[in-house]
Amino acid sequence: GAVVSQHPSWVICKSGTSVKIECRSLDFQATTMFWYRQFPKQSLMLMATSNEGSKATYEQGVEKDKFLINHASLTLSTLTVTSAHPEDSSFYICSATPTWTGGYNEQFFGPGTRLTVL
Amino acid sequence: GENVEQHPSTLSVQEGDSAVIKCTYSDSASNYFPWYKQELGKRPQLIIDIRSNVGEKKDQRIAVTLNKTAKHFSLHITETQPEDSAVYFCAASLYNFGNEKLTFGTGTRLTIIP
Repeated sequence: GAVVSQHPSWVICKSGTSVKIECRSLDFQATTMFWYRQFPKQSLMLMATSNEGSKATYEQGVEKDKFLINHASLTLSTLTVTSAHPEDSSFYICSATPTWTGGYNEQFFGPGTRLTVL
Repeated sequence: GENVEQHPSTLSVQEGDSAVIKCTYSDSASNYFPWYKQELGKRPQLIIDIRSNVGEKKDQRIAVTLNKTAKHFSLHITETQPEDSAVYFCAASLYNFGNEKLTFGTGTRLTIIP
């Protein structure tokens, strides 16, 4: 149980184009999903927290107009990198927490999406 | 916000020996401390966690200790094996009714020498 998938697993795009990444919880409902970015040999940095049916909460320094997050259902959140540039090339990882039933909610991570912007 | 520091950044250990990775956190309100193992190009995997009401937790060859007063926690791996080679991240979080955000440490690249 508690499986999270991401699609695509890797993507190469041209500078200036937009890329959409999907994060799905396959066997549970996720009220909250998180989006992280990980540059090579660095740690995971939280970009934003998304709650189903409401606007995402972005971390300081993350441009919300550039990284559009939509959490339209309890099993799907999408991250769209708009007007991507080479500096956006990174490993994007989502995580999901089951609908809260009390106690601490473990985060279940997706397999990540490697984005390369040429 | 929370800040988590992790040391060392790299660690090489002979197979069979023990490895210790240490983390400190800044927010005294943090009350949940997981450890993740990440292999190259893969997702982080939770290997052990500890909550602030516990000082130590063990799971086979892996143990975590927490010192709330000093705001630091450590990962101990005993009888290391080649498959333990990976990058390890500590993290800290504050319980928030299902909206717990994780702040990750900078990571430790552990290499087990056969």
